[in-house]
Amino acid sequence: DAGITQSPRHKVTETGTPVTLRCHQTENHRYMYWYRQDPGHGLRLIHYSYGVKDTDKGEVSDGYSVSRSKTEDFLLTLESATSSQTSVYFCAISVSGRSDTQYFGPGTRLTVL
Amino acid sequence: GNSVTQMEGPVTLSEEAFLTINCTYTATGYPSLFWYVQYPGEGLQLLLKATKADDKGSNKGFEATYRKETTSFHLEKGSVQVSDSAVYFCALSRDGGSQGNLIFGKGTKLSVKP
Repeated sequence: DAGITQSPRHKVTETGTPVTLRCHQTENHRYMYWYRQDPGHGLRLIHYSYGVKDTDKGEVSDGYSVSRSKTEDFLLTLESATSSQTSVYFCAISVSGRSDTQYFGPGTRLTVL
Repeated sequence: GNSVTQMEGPVTLSEEAFLTINCTYTATGYPSLFWYVQYPGEGLQLLLKATKADDKGSNKGFEATYRKETTSFHLEKGSVQVSDSAVYFCALSRDGGSQGNLIFGKGTKLSVKP
């Protein structure tokens, strides 16, 4: 158990509203990631972080922003949610980055109506 | 760029059957290769990994060998159980300056019938 929690676990929201998802880890690992999982696409990287206030974009970052003000928390924000952002969102951590194993949280199911 | 292709599912097998899920990759450099498993309603869990050519990863009766000559990392199990029903993802690590990012295949759903 890598001590990763995500909140909320489920959320339904309306188009145009802001949404923030939280990932929390208890082991102070440096690297954290946000993915989205959609049928037929597997997992796709949204953003990642390699330290406090150090973040970078993944392959599907449009419409998303992130923040990491503390080692243990990595926030994903949808500034103005759209129906295309309906998905399951997973947070992951890794100990040393590069080719290291990633450990995943339980996921957040987001529905944008 | 790096990419992963895995066989499409769903795959339906009877208990005790032999399992193969094919995974091939395209990569520059020397990526690490992974198989993750996702049980219904849960996040992904690492099943096994291999970090260099000819390495064999194994766990819970599953095996996969890193074949550089065929750019493959096929997942195998000799005798599947109902409890192995899940979605299986092949993944590889990005090379270069990326911070440990993984590239995932689209997943293969396995259903094992008693």
